[in-house]
Amino acid sequence: AQSVSQHNHHVILSEAASLELGCNYSYGGTVNLFWYVQYPGQHLQLLLKYFSGDPLVKGIKGFEAEFIKSKFSFNLRKPSVQWSDTAEYFCAVNIRGSYIPTFGRGTSLIVHP
Amino acid sequence: NAGVTQTPKFRVLKTGQSMTLLCAQDMNHEYMYWYRQDPGMGLRLIHYSVGEGTTAKGEVPDGYNVSRLKKQNFLLGLESAAPSQTSVYFCASTQQETQYFGPGTRLLVL
Repeated sequence: AQSVSQHNHHVILSEAASLELGCNYSYGGTVNLFWYVQYPGQHLQLLLKYFSGDPLVKGIKGFEAEFIKSKFSFNLRKPSVQWSDTAEYFCAVNIRGSYIPTFGRGTSLIVHP
Repeated sequence: NAGVTQTPKFRVLKTGQSMTLLCAQDMNHEYMYWYRQDPGMGLRLIHYSVGEGTTAKGEVPDGYNVSRLKKQNFLLGLESAAPSQTSVYFCASTQQETQYFGPGTRLLVL
């Protein structure tokens, strides 16, 4: 079974700082990759996803992620965070066609104004 | 188009009581899921369904049962609640392998 690791459990940044959240997975086959975000008091929503093609994908609110197959990684980045980015971020992976995702444990991001 | 809805939003149970959480989606999705979210544990899959009338166990199925009698509804049951089932429960449905989540049900078992 695949596993997903998010190495940063808690991140605290000041506004305008750059962000990179790590995500690594263990499955060696073809996968779909996702980042979901959960704003305080809200449900999870899709931030961005990678299925195939350009390994650099752009999502909502200025976020992007890069799929590096050789490193089994799908790190999330944003060049300049805002206070409104305070949220919990989840990386998820599913084997292509399986429809059963595995989620990482999440990273709590706090951005100070 | 309401997306994925969950009922109730919040519930307090005593140990041993039973309850059913209702999830409904109006997007005609085949796949539906129940997760629990606990601090530091992320999302863990309880049960899922690949279509009307079918269900399957996920990572943490013990103590829960599910039913999918209608395509749009996915019910999660707790027959005899335990304090370890205190959690936030999320339902989701899938289109093109992307998950759409409900707003969650916060359950406290005393």
